[in-house]
Amino acid sequence: QKEVEQNSGPLSVPEGAIASLNCTYSDRVSQSFFWYRQYSGKSPELIMSIYSNGDKEDGRFTAQLNKASQYVSLLIRDSQPSDSATYLCAVIGGGGNKLTFGTGTQLKVEL
Amino acid sequence: DVKVTQSSRYLVKRTGEKVFLECVQDMDHENMFWYRQDPGLGLRLIYFSYDVKMKEKGDIPEGYSVSREKKERFSLILESASTNQTSMYLCASRGQGSSEQYFGPGTRLTVT
Repeated sequence: QKEVEQNSGPLSVPEGAIASLNCTYSDRVSQSFFWYRQYSGKSPELIMSIYSNGDKEDGRFTAQLNKASQYVSLLIRDSQPSDSATYLCAVIGGGGNKLTFGTGTQLKVEL
Repeated sequence: DVKVTQSSRYLVKRTGEKVFLECVQDMDHENMFWYRQDPGLGLRLIYFSYDVKMKEKGDIPEGYSVSREKKERFSLILESASTNQTSMYLCASRGQGSSEQYFGPGTRLTVT
């Protein structure tokens, strides 16, 4: 079982819709969770971090964490073509210092 | 803003050459990391350092070494480059007590 799992996609949504990206993790004592956006040929850019159960909103982005289900998600409201990218879920596990990444979900926002 | 820079965006080397990849951060971060990213395999940690002259192996250290002589600089060394080391190499840094990690622009290395 992979430590951090994501559906590779591509996930296609129409412009203006809500995009929902999902991630599960295996280490029950993980404490810190992140979403990175990566455009093709570029490096990952941190867009959201979440540390406690519930929702965290930042502009059009909402991160959701459910530690009991070992599940973290990212919602993008009013999706724009510029949101088309690969979204990486990352987790700091119980060991403390290392980020473990999922392989990413490719999002395509279509006009 | 955190700034992480890498010495080259693109690099082409021959099999057997010694390759140095340099990374510099300007935020006085204690922790620095080297990853490689390959299609279908995601980001894999090669080495990391939590202080000057300190280093720890990541998940795939074979064929690589690192050097951290100054806090702001973390170098990745390929002692004898091989074609299976063709990849995107990404450096990242993170401050002590922070969980948020920031990446440099990456170096796309091709070994022929």
